[in-house]
Amino acid sequence: DGGITQSPKYLFRKEGQNVTLSCEQNLNHDAMYWYRQDPGQGLRLIYYSQIVNDFQKGDIAEGYSVSREKKESFPLTVTSAQKNPTAFYLCASSIRSPNRDYVNNEQFFGPGTRLTVL
Amino acid sequence: DQQVKQNSPSLSVQEGRISILNCDYTNSMFDYFLWYKKYPAEGPTFLISISSIKDKNEDGRFTVFLNKSAKHLSLHIVPSQPGDSAVYFCAARWGVIKAAGNKLTFGGGTRVLVKP
Repeated sequence: DGGITQSPKYLFRKEGQNVTLSCEQNLNHDAMYWYRQDPGQGLRLIYYSQIVNDFQKGDIAEGYSVSREKKESFPLTVTSAQKNPTAFYLCASSIRSPNRDYVNNEQFFGPGTRLTVL
Repeated sequence: DQQVKQNSPSLSVQEGRISILNCDYTNSMFDYFLWYKKYPAEGPTFLISISSIKDKNEDGRFTVFLNKSAKHLSLHIVPSQPGDSAVYFCAARWGVIKAAGNKLTFGGGTRVLVKP
């Protein structure tokens, strides 16, 4: 059955190290997104990609990098330049462009990865 | 600058009664609105949506109302059940700007507690 997977569920990192979070989808969606959620706050967009080999910065891209070499995969690297990396990271996917009948326009989310910097 | 706001961080309601969650937005370019439900340590799941050409959409116990002139939407849950206890996020999409695709802007969330 189709869905989005994120791994690992929990990740610990030492300060100063880069770490890559995995996101895979088999929904045949063109668009993929990375969000960050901090305690008591909403979801903030880090990066998004509307098609393979293309991606754009979201609202809080500093200290992060992404790649989109395959349609199914959109890995996120949290670099040592990210000042406050401890957070819950969520990946999502959707169709690329809104369709006029508004069916299945929503973003589908993975289960998330909780990153803790020690 | 928060373009989508949920001003009530939490809501407590008795089982069987109505839960009303509110969301305000500032950008008149948003054309599609969604509500998501989120349990702790899980990804959000889509609940219900409404396009800007409508003022109401209903799906079972969930109804979303949109007041475009006031830039306000609300989610009604009737009757509320203990399993509805979760954090609810409203989200808005820039539909008219092609470059934005299906990018969403989320509110800060409202935590709902349904008491048995």
